[in-house]
Amino acid sequence: AQTVTQSQPEMSVQEAETVTLSCTYDTSESDYYLFWYKQPPSRQMILVIRQEAYKQQNATENRFSVNFQKAAKSFSLKISDSQLGDAAMYFCAYRSAQGAQKLVFGQGTRLTINP
Amino acid sequence: NAGVMQNPRHLVRRRGQEARLRCSPVKGHSHVYWYRQLPEEGLKFMVYLQKENIIDESGMPKERFSAEFPKEGPSILRIQQVVRGDSAAYFCASSPPNFASTGELFFGEGSRLTVL
Repeated sequence: AQTVTQSQPEMSVQEAETVTLSCTYDTSESDYYLFWYKQPPSRQMILVIRQEAYKQQNATENRFSVNFQKAAKSFSLKISDSQLGDAAMYFCAYRSAQGAQKLVFGQGTRLTINP
Repeated sequence: NAGVMQNPRHLVRRRGQEARLRCSPVKGHSHVYWYRQLPEEGLKFMVYLQKENIIDESGMPKERFSAEFPKEGPSILRIQQVVRGDSAAYFCASSPPNFASTGELFFGEGSRLTVL
């Protein structure tokens, strides 16, 4: 079974600075998707960024980018120019491209933005 | 709003009562997933359904919990004889038939169950 590990329960960063959230995963599959979801206090799960495993190029969405290291099974999220609205729980997630396509989540990292 | 709709948003039950949580997926989506989130924890997979079929229920407790996604109407997560440990946020997500093209799941805002 696939597992996702986020080793940082909490992180904090100064407003306008850059922060990196770590995520590792374990799988024997070669074709899959990786995601970062954001959960603000409203509890809504918001997709931040998505990466297809077959793509070597790291995904980027405005101030959010990932460092995808397939061999190392690592998928970190970098947030540049941090804003107060970025404060939330961030969850890394894995989804197989075959079979039962459930999302497997990590434990989450609580990100605090210091003004 | 064409997103995933969950109701009720908040539900309070006493021990031993039944809880029913409803989920209407995004229009055109035929795959529904239920997740449970305990306080300060991640989302744990419970069950994956397609219309009239349970595809994967590996995360469902063996007793008291059931789920359905009928041909017509919303998906229902039913918890019988609730206990305090069932207190959690329950999230529903949906994906389209061509999920392989994006991989993304679309989440509702969750239903928070409190058992007194």
